[in-house]
Amino acid sequence: DTGVSQNPRHKITKRGQNVTFRCDPISEHNRLYWYRQTLGQGPEFLTYFQNEAQLEKSRLLSDRFSAERPKGSFSTLEIQRTEQGDSAMYLCASSKLEEQYFGPGTRLTVT
Amino acid sequence: GIQVEQSPPDLILQEGANSTLRCNFSDSVNNLQWFHQNPWGQLINLFYIPSGTKQNGRLSATTVATERYSLLYISSSQTTDSGVYFCAVALGSGTYKYIFGTGTRLKVLA
Repeated sequence: DTGVSQNPRHKITKRGQNVTFRCDPISEHNRLYWYRQTLGQGPEFLTYFQNEAQLEKSRLLSDRFSAERPKGSFSTLEIQRTEQGDSAMYLCASSKLEEQYFGPGTRLTVT
Repeated sequence: GIQVEQSPPDLILQEGANSTLRCNFSDSVNNLQWFHQNPWGQLINLFYIPSGTKQNGRLSATTVATERYSLLYISSSQTTDSGVYFCAVALGSGTYKYIFGTGTRLKVLA
């Protein structure tokens, strides 16, 4: 059990560029979650997958955000036309049942 | 939507002291977890505790679901306990998104 992994760990991009993050869940965890955390706040839910199906999306997930989980394994989160307000830590979690386990996060800085 | 409030927001302790962190939530929940976020941002699972009491070493937690609160006890605190403590709740019944509390920032002084 190697835990949840996320890549890259840090990403600096210019406003208007597209970025993609990857999350590899704990093996055999069929549920995968994305959260966003800004400085001084708790994580906020973005979206949730059960296997390859995206079952829930937050209103925080604007049209510029898209998440996929092909084949129910790893997941990607893409942000198109990044804005400075997208600067945050993007956290991925996975679970087999209700207890969620978090990855180290991807810190995005939009300049 | 459900509200999750944690208290105190900030706490400074001398090494060896004990503390109690509180999490209040505004609706019935089926899932509750406590996390410790270390200075590098990693969220570390402490307890999955939708009800009852659990202990793990110097840490213990109690959730009284009927009264909508949970407590995290830290005994004989160490400098490595420093960081932010979050409780997170989920309503269950088909929704698995966690709503995180506002956090308690703990600093333990040597």
